[in-house]
Amino acid sequence: QSVLTQPPSVSAAPGEKVTISCSGTNSNIGSGYVSWYQQFPGTAPRLVIYDRNRRPSGIPGRFSASKSGTSGTLAITGLETEDEADYYCASWDRRLSVVVFGGGTKLTVL
Amino acid sequence: QVQLVESGGRVVQPGYSLTLSCVVSGSTTTLYSIHWVRQAPGRGLEWVAHVSFDGSPPNYSESVRGRFTVSRDKTNSALQMSALRLEDSAVYYCVRALGTILGSTGFDHWGQGTPVTVSS
Repeated sequence: QSVLTQPPSVSAAPGEKVTISCSGTNSNIGSGYVSWYQQFPGTAPRLVIYDRNRRPSGIPGRFSASKSGTSGTLAITGLETEDEADYYCASWDRRLSVVVFGGGTKLTVL
Repeated sequence: QVQLVESGGRVVQPGYSLTLSCVVSGSTTTLYSIHWVRQAPGRGLEWVAHVSFDGSPPNYSESVRGRFTVSRDKTNSALQMSALRLEDSAVYYCVRALGTILGSTGFDHWGQGTPVTVSS
């Protein structure tokens, strides 16, 4: 069981907006940063959001994130079929001195 | 362009030891921590261990503490795995994070992963 809680799956049609939640505690998300990762089958994950709401070069502006208290949210607007992937959140847990990941959310673009 | 390349993964029997290596190239700074993250077949990401650049003690997940040892030189890292179990089978990724832990910049560069299979 993962320390950060994500929905196992979400789905939406092309062009629509989808959000993925990541619930943690005061010792991880609540006192630090949450970052988001995208993973296609058979490939390594890649960073899509860091530092509250910044995107690495090459990540489209359709990706954004927010944080409120002990939860973070990834939002993808104007969904494209190429966004279909698994998404993970991660944070440093200052009480446990470990990195904690969410269990991952499979995004299906219908 | 920053690149991380893992090597050393193979098939081993339970109880055996194995060492993975991670070579980091193209980085303009050495002020980063190196993390190891694994993914069992069909499962999610699991953080394993990390080592910083400042000499602070490494950190380990509860599932590997006492069996795995992570080390690094100025740029590269090694993960020594002993007393391997069936549940250690996974693709092991070497990952970079600027700073001493996982901070605001996230895991900004990942290796391609090296597979470890523990099987009798």
